Amino acid sequence: LAKTTQPISMDSYEGQEVNITCSHNNIATNDYITWYQQFPSQGPRFIIQGYKTKVTNEVASLFIPADRKSSTLSLPRVSLSDTAVYYCLVGDMNSGAGSYQLTFGKGTKLSVIP
Amino acid sequence: GAGVSQTPSNKVTEKGKYVELRCDPISGHTALYWYRQSLGQGPEFLIYFQGTGAADDSGLPNDRFFAVRPEGSVSTLKIQRTERGDSAVYLCASSHAGFSYNEQFFGPGTRLTVL
Repeated sequence: LAKTTQPISMDSYEGQEVNITCSHNNIATNDYITWYQQFPSQGPRFIIQGYKTKVTNEVASLFIPADRKSSTLSLPRVSLSDTAVYYCLVGDMNSGAGSYQLTFGKGTKLSVIP
Repeated sequence: GAGVSQTPSNKVTEKGKYVELRCDPISGHTALYWYRQSLGQGPEFLIYFQGTGAADDSGLPNDRFFAVRPEGSVSTLKIQRTERGDSAVYLCASSHAGFSYNEQFFGPGTRLTVL
């Protein structure tokens, strides 16, 4: 599984756009990039997933450059309720790959300040 | 709709005791996972079930840990002769069958404290 590197923590004021970048230099051809969000005392929650270019949903956008060696999670106009840990994961989406486990790093602790 | 539920939410036990942690996955999800999360760390994979069988138990730390899913729905994680180092939050997740790295739905976890 490709290793990921992301900042340990970030601070942001309410209403600002937050971009969290994750490095995954050893990403494989079949790997997808997935981001999870975890609030205190809760299990992680899926945010967004992508393979290349840009993916957008009602919560966030995911930007993936052509070389796919990094990705950026973008949260528009954050609020206090976006304070959480954000995990970047990379793995093979093919059902025949054999490994279904998610490999989490330490994540990025985002603190939104009033 | 109902999400993944886990019981108990908190469990305090003494070193050497046996504990069981229960997970009720989302109805219809045939894939079930157990993870363990220590303070300040991301969740760590323990075991994965596809239906009733353990398809991947490579994350179980030693033979004191065991998990079952006899009817392909509810799962129980069993820990024998607990040690203080077993203290952590144990998370359960479920997903649709057949897709690795598909969206996994996590429960709130069971916080295990071994005194």
